Amino acid sequence: DGGITQSPKYLFRKEGQNVTLSCEQNLNHDAMYWYRQDPGQGLRLIYYSQIVNDFQKGDIAEGYSVSREKKESFPLTVTSAQKNPTAFYLCASSMEGLKTQYFGPGTRLLVL
Amino acid sequence: AQSVTQLGSHVSVSEGALVLLRCNYSSSVPPYLFWYVQYPNQGLQLLLKYTTGATLVKGINGFEAEFKKSETSFHLTKPSAHMSDAAEYFCVVTRGGSNYKLTFGKGTLLTVNP
Repeated sequence: DGGITQSPKYLFRKEGQNVTLSCEQNLNHDAMYWYRQDPGQGLRLIYYSQIVNDFQKGDIAEGYSVSREKKESFPLTVTSAQKNPTAFYLCASSMEGLKTQYFGPGTRLLVL
Repeated sequence: AQSVTQLGSHVSVSEGALVLLRCNYSSSVPPYLFWYVQYPNQGLQLLLKYTTGATLVKGINGFEAEFKKSETSFHLTKPSAHMSDAAEYFCVVTRGGSNYKLTFGKGTLLTVNP
């Protein structure tokens, strides 16, 4: 089955720790995205990548980093510089030239 | 710049009643419009989309939406609510060209009462 997988489903971060959220897709999509979701605020774009080895900051990139070494993978690192990381993180992908984005099941990040 | 306003953060209907979720957008260029649904602790699922052409768009699970340019609206409707429709719904706008950025509304939580 084609789709987007995110792991883990739940992630706990200690003070000062960097954590990495995984996002993999087998849809052969060119573009991939990371969003943060907080209650009552909709989704906000963190980073996006339209091709391998290239990515751009979204609206709230501070405290986050990404890489795009393979077409199917777009991991997100939440660094210790992100002071309020507790949120639901969603990964999405889309075909080149098309606007429709397809979403993974999400990772909930909690701070210990 | 583009923006989306969803009127009503919470809508409650009875099972079998009409569902109407309101969405207004602003965009300086012809928009592409989407409705997504999110069940608790899950990702977003595409319900329907408008790009060009017919302004009445039919989606999955019996939902439909009508693009009204003069009213800058894209309201989501379903004639008869089912318990399984209870979820959060997001209206989303983007513009044509190579811009990939989606702008999300803040969401409307739909509750369906038995």
